[in-house]
Amino acid sequence: DAKTTQPPSMDCAEGRAANLPCNHSTISGNEYVYWYRQIHSQGPQYIIHGLKNNETNEMASLIITEDRKSSTLILPHATLRDTAVYYCIVRLTGTASKLTFGTGTRLQVTL
Amino acid sequence: NAGVTQTPKFRILKIGQSMTLQCTQDMNHNYMYWYRQDPGMGLKLIYYSVGAGITDKGEVPNGYNVSRSTTEDFPLRLELAAPSQTSVYFCACTPGQSVSGANVLTFGAGSRLTVL
Repeated sequence: DAKTTQPPSMDCAEGRAANLPCNHSTISGNEYVYWYRQIHSQGPQYIIHGLKNNETNEMASLIITEDRKSSTLILPHATLRDTAVYYCIVRLTGTASKLTFGTGTRLQVTL
Repeated sequence: NAGVTQTPKFRILKIGQSMTLQCTQDMNHNYMYWYRQDPGMGLKLIYYSVGAGITDKGEVPNGYNVSRSTTEDFPLRLELAAPSQTSVYFCACTPGQSVSGANVLTFGAGSRLTVL
């Protein structure tokens, strides 16, 4: 699985959009980008995933660059409840890969 | 549909004791994982399994053992507990194969272990 690089921390004002970047320059053509988040000490929670096209669901939007070397997770209207650690991971689907997580980005949403 | 259930939620062990962390999933997923998370750190993979009877080491397997006799259960055994094993342990599962491409991990709520 390709490695990812994320900033260690970010701040965002409540109500504003939170844009969390992820670099995955060694991604291969059939690897997916997944985003998870971990609120406090809970188990990580799936947010969204994508291969090439931009994706949107009820939680967030995922923008993947045309060369697929980076992506951005967008929380359109961040709330205090979005304060969490966000993990970007890249992996092949259906493989017995050692699915590993980095240290993620700690997003702090403030009033 | 309970998803991934981990027991116990909390446990305090003395150095040298042994115990088993239980993980059960009712989603019929093939792949299961055990992670540990130390305070302020990311998740580190301990062991994983791609199906009943098949297990493999992750990044930090020393001091742990696993078994996978059924699809549903993936217990993690700690032998001779040490203070370095104080951590929060998460179990997770994923289908492994998906037509849609989604291979979403579902995590349990975690088991907080303290070794004194």
